[in-house]
Order: sequence, then C-alpha cells, then structure tokens
Amino acid sequence: NAGVTQTPKFQVLKTGQSMTLQCAQDMNHNSMYWYRQDPGMGLRLIYYSASEGTTDKGEVPNGYNVSRLNKREFSLRLESAAPSQTSVYFCASEPRHQETQYFGPGTRLLVL
Amino acid sequence: AQSVTQPDIHITVSEGASLELRCNYSYGATPYLFWYVQSPGQGLQLLLKYFSGDTLVQGIKGFEAEFKRSQSSFNLRKPSVHWSDAAEYFCAVVIKGGNEKLTFGTGTRLTIIP
Repeated sequence: NAGVTQTPKFQVLKTGQSMTLQCAQDMNHNSMYWYRQDPGMGLRLIYYSASEGTTDKGEVPNGYNVSRLNKREFSLRLESAAPSQTSVYFCASEPRHQETQYFGPGTRLLVL
Repeated sequence: AQSVTQPDIHITVSEGASLELRCNYSYGATPYLFWYVQSPGQGLQLLLKYFSGDTLVQGIKGFEAEFKRSQSSFNLRKPSVHWSDAAEYFCAVVIKGGNEKLTFGTGTRLTIIP
C-alpha cells in the first residue's frame, strides 16, 4: 500500500514549457486535491475532484488544468509555465465522509 | 471566508522543554480542526484532528491539542519535545456549512536546540 504517490519529485522548466504532474492513490479514496505550497503562505488549493469524472476550481486555479483519469489518478497540467508557478505541489486524497486528507511527498518545480 | 491564523512564524525550544503552538480560526459554525506536520523535504502527515466530543484530543508522537470554542483556538501541545520534532507545523480547518474546503494556516517552523 503505497498511499499517495507523485511524479516527478523535481522538475526544472523554462518559461513557456508545458508539463504534467502525476498523482496516484491506491487507497480507493473518492476525493483528490492539488495544492501548491509557497513560503509564508501555507498550502493553497488549486483544483479538486470530489469523485471520478468531476473536477472543480480551488483558490488559485489560473494557469492550471486537471484531469481525473480514473478513481486512482489525478493529474495537474501546466500548459505554459511561468516563473510565478515555481512552487512545491502536493497531491492529496480523502476517503468518502472521513474529512481527512492524506498527502503525497510533493513535486518541487522551478520555472526559469 | 474562513481563515486560519498561526501567529508564530518560527519557534525555538530546548530539547526536553514543553511546547505550545497557537492556532486561531475565524468564521465559527461547526469547525473540523486538524494539525499536520511537515518534516524537511517531506509531505504532510496528520498529527491529530477534532470533529466533536472531548475537546482535548490526543495525536501521534505524543502531541495533543485542545479546542476552545470561546477563543476560536486549537492550540497544539507537547510536554517534552525531542530533536526529531523539528519540522513545520500546519493548523487547518474545515467549516461545515461553509465552503467545506480544507484551509491551512501559514505554518510555524519549530527549531529544537540541544
């Protein structure tokens, strides 16, 4: 039982490049989330998916898109990366009716 | 909008000393309250949570927290810290009947000195 996994661990991009951050969970959780963590700002919600086939915007969705590919996987795409998207990205999952999120190890992204 | 305040950005304590990390939330109603810990370079791990019932909750690694509705607070405590407790600590809240999304505080970084 690996929990929540994220790939890659580290990535360096040039401004304007695109990339997809992958997240998978093997706990059969219904909800999945993408956050970004910036110094002094805690974690801010980018997008979430309450169930397979649904996605919704969070607090800071601009510049991102998501796909809930199936119950296990929830990917985050940067179509045209900007330096302001330099951050640490965390994926989380949550079982139905338990109100408790479980986090992956994070992806550290640097946009030059 | 709901918000969470962690007034201490950085705290330094001696190993073996007691610890209290402060957390206040706004926008009452029914809060679900959480403390997470993040070790350097790692993801977030749940320390403890409060949904209802006894306002003093016990968590992992010897931590406890007390919910005080009158003060809108959920402070984290540990009677005797260990060097391995050095990490960043995040308080978070879900307001039932509000937007029901997990809202995080900005974190408190804990340094332990020998």
